[in-house]
Amino acid sequence: AQSVTQPDIHITVSEGASLELRCNYSYGATPYLFWYVQSPGQGLQLLLKYFSGDTLVQGIKGFEAEFKRSQSSFNLRKPSVHWSDAAEYFCAVVTGGGADGLTFGKGTHLIIQP
Amino acid sequence: ETGVTQSPTHLIKTRGQQVTLRCSSQSGHNTVSWYQQALGQGPQFIFQYYREEENGRGNFPPRFSGLQFPNYSSELNVNALELDDSALYLCASTQAGTPLHFGNGTRLTVT
Repeated sequence: AQSVTQPDIHITVSEGASLELRCNYSYGATPYLFWYVQSPGQGLQLLLKYFSGDTLVQGIKGFEAEFKRSQSSFNLRKPSVHWSDAAEYFCAVVTGGGADGLTFGKGTHLIIQP
Repeated sequence: ETGVTQSPTHLIKTRGQQVTLRCSSQSGHNTVSWYQQALGQGPQFIFQYYREEENGRGNFPPRFSGLQFPNYSSELNVNALELDDSALYLCASTQAGTPLHFGNGTRLTVT
């Protein structure tokens, strides 16, 4: 069965600094990979997804992620964070046709320091 | 504005009771998926409905059931509630297995 690990429970970044959130997955074949963001009291918003092709994926709100097969990773990056980026970030994986639903990591809580 | 509306926003039930949660989508996507998010955890897949039929299910017991209607709105029903069912329940309009738009969820508390 596939699994997703987000090693960092909390990350604190200064406003304007760069950000990288880590995600590792476990699955034999190439999975479909996703990053979602969840603000307090809200549902999840899809930031970006990787299905195939170019391993560097651009998303909304200035985020990007890079798929590295050799490291089984799909890390999320942003060159300069804003206070409004403070939220919970979830990495997720799905295999096959998607009828098994997404498997989510436990999330990384991003704190932005002024 | 996600276009996915869930009701109610909060609910308190007693162990052993039954609950129905509702979801409607303006997106027109014909697939809806439901997730359970316990406090401090990532969402867990409950099931998915496509054209009014369940076509995928996670590791949840049969007391979790659902419906999808011709207008693509959906219900999640949970019977014989247990304390561990306390969670945020999220529905999402889904396309090709990708949940695209999540609602804000229903917070269920079982006492």
